[in-house]
Amino acid sequence: QKEVEQDPGPLSVPEGAIVSLNCTYSNSAFQYFMWYRQYSRKGPELLMYTYSSGNKEDGRFTAQVDKSSKYISLFIRDSQPSDSATYLCAMSAAGAGSYQLTFGKGTKLSVIP
Amino acid sequence: SAVISQKPSRDICQRGTSLTIQCQVDSQVTMMFWYRQQPGQSLTLIATANQGSEATYESGFVIDKFPISRPNLTFSTLTVSNMSPEDSSIYLCSVEVSATSYEQYFGPGTRLTVT
Repeated sequence: QKEVEQDPGPLSVPEGAIVSLNCTYSNSAFQYFMWYRQYSRKGPELLMYTYSSGNKEDGRFTAQVDKSSKYISLFIRDSQPSDSATYLCAMSAAGAGSYQLTFGKGTKLSVIP
Repeated sequence: SAVISQKPSRDICQRGTSLTIQCQVDSQVTMMFWYRQQPGQSLTLIATANQGSEATYESGFVIDKFPISRPNLTFSTLTVSNMSPEDSSIYLCSVEVSATSYEQYFGPGTRLTVT
């Protein structure tokens, strides 16, 4: 079993839809959870950063962490064509060497006008 | 956050040659990292670039193949040595801007093709 599983998609939705992106993980030591957005031929851009369980909202984006289920989600409300990108989840454990991020493979999202 | 630039943005190289990739940050940072992103694969950490000392390599990566320099707190280089087609990938540098946060920010990447 891989440490981080992420459905690669592709996921195609109409403009204005609510998008749900998910990752599951196996390492219970993970406490820091991140979502990155990567446009084609660009570097990953940090979107959301959360610590431990709970929700965090930033504009149209909501990150949710359920540590009991080892499951994290990113919700995008009122999706726009500019949201079309690959979304990567990443996570890290606390403690020495915790800078090491473990990434999912990414989900490719297309928002159709 | 931090503004990170990489040079070159892309290159096509012949088998057996070496390429050095530069990473420049607009502010001093404590931690700098090098990643590889292969098609259809997760980002994989190659090494941590340590200022003033040897880089710390992850399992599967060695200094002879991927020598790294970090002469100061804003600059690092990664060399891909004796290249083969299997080294074709996107190489990314990232930085951690705060010692109390594990947020990492990435450069735009260098797209390398080895023929």
